[in-house]
Amino acid sequence: KNEVEQSPQNLTAQEGEFITINCSYSVGISALHWLQQHPGGGIVSLFMLSSGKKKHGRLIATINIQEKHSSLHITASHPRDSAVYICGVRGAQKLVFGQGTRLTINP
Amino acid sequence: NAGVTQTPKFRILKIGQSMTLQCAQDMNHNYMYWYRQDPGMGLKLIYYSVGAGITDKGEVPNGYNVSRSTTEDFPLRLELAAPSQTSVYFCASSYTGSTGTDTQYFGPGTRLTVL
Repeated sequence: KNEVEQSPQNLTAQEGEFITINCSYSVGISALHWLQQHPGGGIVSLFMLSSGKKKHGRLIATINIQEKHSSLHITASHPRDSAVYICGVRGAQKLVFGQGTRLTINP
Repeated sequence: NAGVTQTPKFRILKIGQSMTLQCAQDMNHNYMYWYRQDPGMGLKLIYYSVGAGITDKGEVPNGYNVSRSTTEDFPLRLELAAPSQTSVYFCASSYTGSTGTDTQYFGPGTRLTVL
């Protein structure tokens, strides 16, 4: 079993829909990261959180430490949100990543 | 700030050749990382460094070497290239202090093909 599991692996939705991507992990962590990888390959860090909830524009990230689970939500989704979203957990010095969720938003 | 820069962007190597992937950051970050991303797979940590002169292995270090002689630079060396090292390589950096670790900043990646 992978230390970090994301679901779904692929998600296609219509513009305007509310999107949820899930991340479950099996190890103790000090922080969890959400990354966005654009179709061109570049990687941008969206959030780093260790408890509660963070919001940036239309993106919201939550984490439940007891349940070892995090969600990334996108409100009013737009085609430019199409990307791969990657969850990573930090234990000790290192980050371990999930395989990513490929999101496609159709106009 | 240029952020994290990587060179080259693309490279084709023959089996057995050697090369160095360059990575530099101008944000005075103490932590630096090398990841590889195989097609359809997640990021795997190759090596990381917590400061100049200090490096440590990640999940997949075999076939690679690193050095960190300065805070800014963290080159990755492939000594005897193998087809299994065909991948996209990302360098990243972050700052870790007494309040914890800051977010990671990624370079644009180097696409390496070994034939």
